[in-house]
Amino acid sequence: DIQMTQSPSTLSASVGDRISITCRASQSIDRWVAWYQQKPGKAPKIVISDASNLERGVPSRFSGSGSGREFTLTINSLQPDDFATYYCQQYNSYFWTFGQGTKVEVK
Amino acid sequence: QVQLQESGPRFVKPSQTLSLTCSVSGGSVMSESYYWGWIRQPPGKGLEWIGSIYYSGTTYYNPSLKSRLTISVDTSKNQFSLRLTSVTAADTTVYYCMRHGKYTPGIDSWGLGTLVTVSS
Repeated sequence: DIQMTQSPSTLSASVGDRISITCRASQSIDRWVAWYQQKPGKAPKIVISDASNLERGVPSRFSGSGSGREFTLTINSLQPDDFATYYCQQYNSYFWTFGQGTKVEVK
Repeated sequence: QVQLQESGPRFVKPSQTLSLTCSVSGGSVMSESYYWGWIRQPPGKGLEWIGSIYYSGTTYYNPSLKSRLTISVDTSKNQFSLRLTSVTAADTTVYYCMRHGKYTPGIDSWGLGTLVTVSS
């Protein structure tokens, strides 16, 4: 199975900050990565698919980059609604796996 | 907009079978563009893909669960189901049903999730 190592596990930030979260795959997965945002008690919500495709309705301050083994989710000008836990997911082949999650908390 | 709703027992005894159904509204499980499936998440922990099914019956399962798992689809009821046998306390988690694209497999729709507790 493909392991997704996500870092950091916790990120303390302030409104207006630019933040980045990284996922590293244990083998090359082309661009087959999605990023999800999850708030407590809610189902995850997709924000990025295919490494860099911004999902419909997601603010443009979110962006994704990377290919191969290294992927990054960036949020420019962090807003109050963005404090949440973020997960990367690989779907290179069917045994999908997720990163461990990054909790973005108020500094 | 498609909506997904999980249903089924919230408590299951160890060694018994966990069964959940996902009812789909605002869309069809027979759509050629999507797969349907299940994700689970222990309270306070990360996400685990369980498996996915196409309306034709093609299934993909998490290898770690495959020996205990059956996912099926009922096109007449616009539903799909999860069956997990020989459950233990480790199967106590929130179960989400979901939809993902056939060609871009990001999960674009989720159910609200249901907590299933395995306990005697």
